[in-house]
Amino acid sequence: QVQLQESGPGLVKPSETLSLTCTVSGGSISTYYWSWIRQPPGKGLEWIGYIYYSGSTNYNPSLKSRVTISVDTSKNQFSLRLSSVTAADTAVYYCARRTDYGSGYYGMDVWGQGTTVTVSS
Amino acid sequence: DIQMTQSPSSLSASVGDRVTITCRASQSISTYLNWYQQKPGKAPKLLIYGASSLQSGVPSRFSGSGSGTDFTLTISSLQPEDFATYCCQQSYGTPRTFGQGTKVEIK
Repeated sequence: QVQLQESGPGLVKPSETLSLTCTVSGGSISTYYWSWIRQPPGKGLEWIGYIYYSGSTNYNPSLKSRVTISVDTSKNQFSLRLSSVTAADTAVYYCARRTDYGSGYYGMDVWGQGTTVTVSS
Repeated sequence: DIQMTQSPSSLSASVGDRVTITCRASQSISTYLNWYQQKPGKAPKLLIYGASSLQSGVPSRFSGSGSGTDFTLTISSLQPEDFATYCCQQSYGTPRTFGQGTKVEIK
């Protein structure tokens, strides 16, 4: 079955750029939307954005000026870049697949295990 | 942004109990509502999409209902593996937003 795995640095300095990659295995990245979600320590989930395999994106307006999500279909990967990070960006970052159930219904049905990113000098 | 408010924030229940969790949206979202289960240190798991459709592989003791602004997740007979945090998420507008979660604990 499809599995997702996040990878990237666990520690990022303030004002620098956070970069994470999600590798899709057991299936093709094509025909799906792929999402990034984060969860600060002890808090709820926050949707960051998603990308279609073709490259079209949709971002959370609160992060839009700092976020870039990209896809590399040849590697079956998609990536997150978050610039100018602060301590408030410290969180567990998850990648997930968004599945279309028809009639406009979408759900994130496959998730990576999550990766902890700490912003600190 | 569409605000999602869950109640209660936590509850204590026993194995076999019927449990109901409520999610309220700050505006109408039709039935574009998903429910997730999250265990400590683990990724969320999709339980319900479209307010009432059971995700493949999810036990039938889980059910969802509601439309517009008010939604409910019900566990008909709580099992030991169901002790977790449950959260709702709207897929109607951008940004997608989540409820703050309801923690189901053992009584």
